[in-house]
Amino acid sequence: QSALTQPRSVSGSPGQSVSISCTGTSSDVGGYNYVSWYQQHPGKAPKLMIYDVTKRPSWVPDRFSGSKSDTTASLTISGLQAEDEADYYCCSYAGTYTFAVFGGGTKLTVL
Amino acid sequence: QVQLQESGPGLLKPSETLSLTCTVSGYSISRIYHWGWIRQPPGKGLEWIGSINHGGSTYYNPSLKSRITLSMDTSKNQFSLKMTSVTAADTAFYFCVRGPASAYFDFWGQGTLVTVSS
Repeated sequence: QSALTQPRSVSGSPGQSVSISCTGTSSDVGGYNYVSWYQQHPGKAPKLMIYDVTKRPSWVPDRFSGSKSDTTASLTISGLQAEDEADYYCCSYAGTYTFAVFGGGTKLTVL
Repeated sequence: QVQLQESGPGLLKPSETLSLTCTVSGYSISRIYHWGWIRQPPGKGLEWIGSINHGGSTYYNPSLKSRITLSMDTSKNQFSLKMTSVTAADTAFYFCVRGPASAYFDFWGQGTLVTVSS
């Protein structure tokens, strides 16, 4: 059982927006502004999409955005494209002892 | 461009020790960052294993702490993972990663599959 809770799957049509939630506790998501999101296509290594809750690396289009409220973080993808179909994982800093915890992953299907 | 590449045996027997090395190019591991390992059993989710920072301080997943050791060799720009007493449950893709102290991982190796089977 993963430390952070994500929906197993979400779906949307091209051009629509979807959001993926990531629920933790006050010891991880709620305690720090250090949530990150990763995209993983089959057979590939995960790719960083969002870090520090809302920041995007230079290689990520601005269709991807992150937010957080209390112990739940969210990844929103607007203007869905076929290539966005992938697994998405959230991750949170959880203090110097536990350091990093992941969600179980969400499969995004573009209909 | 930062690149990471894992290397090590792909097949182990139960109770053996897993040893993996990550070779980094394009960035010196002695500069400010954490260097770590993340694993993914086939078809399952990600699990952080542990990290070592540029000063050699280590951070281990509490559930694996008794079996793992991370080390670094700055002369070769490499860092390594050792995991003792492996079982079938340790079968996974192992990724080496770079990240800052706030626990996000911006560069990943391609991953290497380690299978534990008798």
